[in-house]
Amino acid sequence: AQSVTQLGSHVSVSEGALVLLRCNYSSSVPPYLFWYVQYPNQGLQLLLKYTSAATLVKGINGFEAEFKKSETSFHLTKPSAHMSDAAEYFCAVSSNTGNQFYFGTGTSLTVIP
Amino acid sequence: DTAVSQTPKYLVTQMGNDKSIKCEQNLGHDTMYWYKQDSKKFLKIMFSYNNKELIINETVPNRFSPKSPDKAHLNLHINSLELGDSAVYFCASSQEAIGGGAVGRDPSTDTQYFGPGTRLTVL
Repeated sequence: AQSVTQLGSHVSVSEGALVLLRCNYSSSVPPYLFWYVQYPNQGLQLLLKYTSAATLVKGINGFEAEFKKSETSFHLTKPSAHMSDAAEYFCAVSSNTGNQFYFGTGTSLTVIP
Repeated sequence: DTAVSQTPKYLVTQMGNDKSIKCEQNLGHDTMYWYKQDSKKFLKIMFSYNNKELIINETVPNRFSPKSPDKAHLNLHINSLELGDSAVYFCASSQEAIGGGAVGRDPSTDTQYFGPGTRLTVL
């Protein structure tokens, strides 16, 4: 069985500050992990994914995430927040066979000018 | 050109009706998906199809059925609509199935494209 937990349903950061969105996973098999972004009133976009290659994954828009097996974490970071980063972010986990897939409950990111 | 398109964008219907949402992708991808996002923004994958083979079929009522006439289309049919079916439904596509890939392919280079969503309201 697999699941993800996103700590903090709302995160606020100042423009230019570090963005850190937390995601912890639970999986009985080697997981694949994903971060998605949903801008206000828009569809979803895949930011990045971990598929058992490099543990530090770089995505679009300057985001990256690091897979830490010992901590069962896959936190999303960005060195400097932009106003345009304000959105809902979803972490997700799948089995490496792709036959199971689960989303976290989402974290709403607010960027303060 | 739109990569993944869905029609209609909005759908308002009565309980008990049967409706369909269409999805088309012009990316030549082998895998297509349907997701549901409810009013609290909770996301759930409903179906994943790869080369017309159903890969994921999560705990979705059998009133929901995916229909794939060809690999560019994955339509969602919903019978006997219920109030709880009100949600935004997103279609998506990717070359390989999420979480898996053909031997020799690098799934880390694959990405996923989403449609704009269909807001279904059941009255």
